[in-house]
Amino acid sequence: GENVEQHPSTLSVQEGDSAVIKCTYSDSASNYFPWYKQELGKGPQLIIDIRSNVGEKKDQRIAVTLNKTAKHFSLHITETQPEDSAVYFCAATSNQAGTALIFGKGTTLSVSS
Amino acid sequence: ETGVTQTPRHLVMGMTNKKSLKCEQHLGHNAMYWYKQSAKKPLELMFVYNFKEQTENNSVPSRFSPECPNSSHLFLHLHTLQPEDSALYLCASRQTGRSYNEQFFGPGTRLTVL
Repeated sequence: GENVEQHPSTLSVQEGDSAVIKCTYSDSASNYFPWYKQELGKGPQLIIDIRSNVGEKKDQRIAVTLNKTAKHFSLHITETQPEDSAVYFCAATSNQAGTALIFGKGTTLSVSS
Repeated sequence: ETGVTQTPRHLVMGMTNKKSLKCEQHLGHNAMYWYKQSAKKPLELMFVYNFKEQTENNSVPSRFSPECPNSSHLFLHLHTLQPEDSALYLCASRQTGRSYNEQFFGPGTRLTVL
């Protein structure tokens, strides 16, 4: 089955710096790669996603890149702000008819002002 | 608010108790999910329901019993749980289609088994 590895597990940056989180996946048939942000006491919330027919996608300060050949994708946050502090999860569709997501272990991002 | 609600938000139970977790989605979706989130582990998929039919059971112990009476409601019945079952239980929903669509999560139920 699909396996998703995520690094780093923790990331501390200064306000205004960029943050990059990387994930690798094992199933070449996976075709959808979302990123979720989870704040304390809340469920994960989608912040950006990318499909396998696209190499890069941007939404204001957030961007995701996908390298299908190497089977890895990355989240880039520019001009970080304290409110970006949260746990971020990458995911990939499972190989079982794409009915569910397989998640990475998460990255705790801390942005200090 | 994501349109997915879960009750209760917190639950403490003994190993011999029977309790149920409830999830309701107000988004008109036709697929619902239960995930388990433990510290320092990935979200673990437990069950998947499509159009009220269970399509995946991810080797979950029988002390967890899901129920989906309609496409808006999902329950997780708990009995004779173990302390290692303490975790955040997340419900999610999405609309199935030709392409994978966004999955919306509820806030979760924090379960503690004593």
